[in-house]
Amino acid sequence: AQSVTQLDSQVPVFEEAPVELRCNYSSSVSVYLFWYVQYPNQGLQLLLKYLSGSTLVKGINGFEAEFNKSQTSFHLRKPSVHISDTAEYFCAVSGSGTDKLIFGTGTRLQVFP
Amino acid sequence: GAVVSQHPSRVICKSGTSVKIECRSLDFQATTMFWYRQFPKQSLMLMATSNEGSKATYEQGVEKDKFLINHASLTLSTLTVASAHPEDSSFYICSAQMVAGGDTQYFGPGTRLTVL
Repeated sequence: AQSVTQLDSQVPVFEEAPVELRCNYSSSVSVYLFWYVQYPNQGLQLLLKYLSGSTLVKGINGFEAEFNKSQTSFHLRKPSVHISDTAEYFCAVSGSGTDKLIFGTGTRLQVFP
Repeated sequence: GAVVSQHPSRVICKSGTSVKIECRSLDFQATTMFWYRQFPKQSLMLMATSNEGSKATYEQGVEKDKFLINHASLTLSTLTVASAHPEDSSFYICSAQMVAGGDTQYFGPGTRLTVL
């Protein structure tokens, strides 16, 4: 069975500072990994995904994530955040050959001026 | 591209009423659609997976007679909450997938259901 752990429920940060949102997964099979962002009262928007190939994945809005198989991690990073990045961020995993997405509990990124 | 819409965005109804929520893929054909439920400040929980033209597959603990899913075409899936009760109040989100097995799910904006 697959699972996703987002250890940080909230991450406060000042504007223009770098940020890292942590995501660890467990799976006995090859996985696909995703980061989604959810703004208040909205659905989820895909930030980036890892399916195969380069372990460093670049997404929208200046975000990137690195797949680390040995540490079973897929941490999300941004070198300089903006107020508009304030939102809930979800890490998700699916096993290759399966459609189901398993979500982490989410990390609330709060950017302060 | 890959836009998914949901209708209605918000619905308030009386206990005992049935509510239908539509999920449409606007610019692509979705072989598979998913329905999620999200409680306040919590993660998304998969309720069911539907493939066009076949019966939906429900996750453990989800009542299929309560949450009726129909995926009649490659661009439309509907979720009907039968005889809704206050405990069914939640944020319901659908997603659509172009190709089965590992491809990206594109999410709708969600439907806020409030049952009085």
